[in-house]
Amino acid sequence: EVQVVESGGGLVQPGGSLRLSCAVSGFTFSSHSMNWVRQAPGRGLEWVAYIDRSSSPIYYAGSVQGRFTISRDNSKNSLYLQMSSLRAEDTAVYYCARTFFGKVAPRPNYWGQGTLVTVSS
Amino acid sequence: DIQMTQSPSTLSASVGDRVTITCRASQSVNRWLAWYQQSPGKAPKLLIYEASSLESGVPSRFSGSGSGTEFTLTISGLQPDDFATYYCQQYTSYSTFGQGTKVEIK
Repeated sequence: EVQVVESGGGLVQPGGSLRLSCAVSGFTFSSHSMNWVRQAPGRGLEWVAYIDRSSSPIYYAGSVQGRFTISRDNSKNSLYLQMSSLRAEDTAVYYCARTFFGKVAPRPNYWGQGTLVTVSS
Repeated sequence: DIQMTQSPSTLSASVGDRVTITCRASQSVNRWLAWYQQSPGKAPKLLIYEASSLESGVPSRFSGSGSGTEFTLTISGLQPDDFATYYCQQYTSYSTFGQGTKVEIK
């Protein structure tokens, strides 16, 4: 059974930092690119970051470029998102996802249940 | 960046209805277009990929069509579990989602 489990969300002050983790099991993690996708409360889905199988290339949405860093540890079947200089508009549920990106179309898609990040003073 | 625009934003329908959701891209995405269903508090679920291919396990009442810049998702015979929000996603260049279409009970 495939499991994708995010952790690390919580309440953080504006300007602060947070590191999200995603633990994967049930498929060969090292063979697949991965993404972070977020969803602000009551809003739609927004792709955040992409990392290829061997950690290169990496791409970011313009809204997080320079503030967020995606990484992975294939030996631990884990994906990470280091978030810094956080803003109120970064408040969202963050999903770890094996999903479609740049003509890369893995099937099935696998998504975690998400972890909530709240940026507020 | 490629922008995706869905219409309508909200759709009121009854069980058994046939509903159609449209997704337009700001430039051609060929057929690199997917559709997802999301219920409250849940992760998105893939329904359609490459514009018209039905994902395994998805009921055949869901269908997709289109290419280039205009796409449609059709649900033929709406079921109670289908009242949810639907998103299109282009994946020809990076990834962009539409803003969503909420299908609600009339």
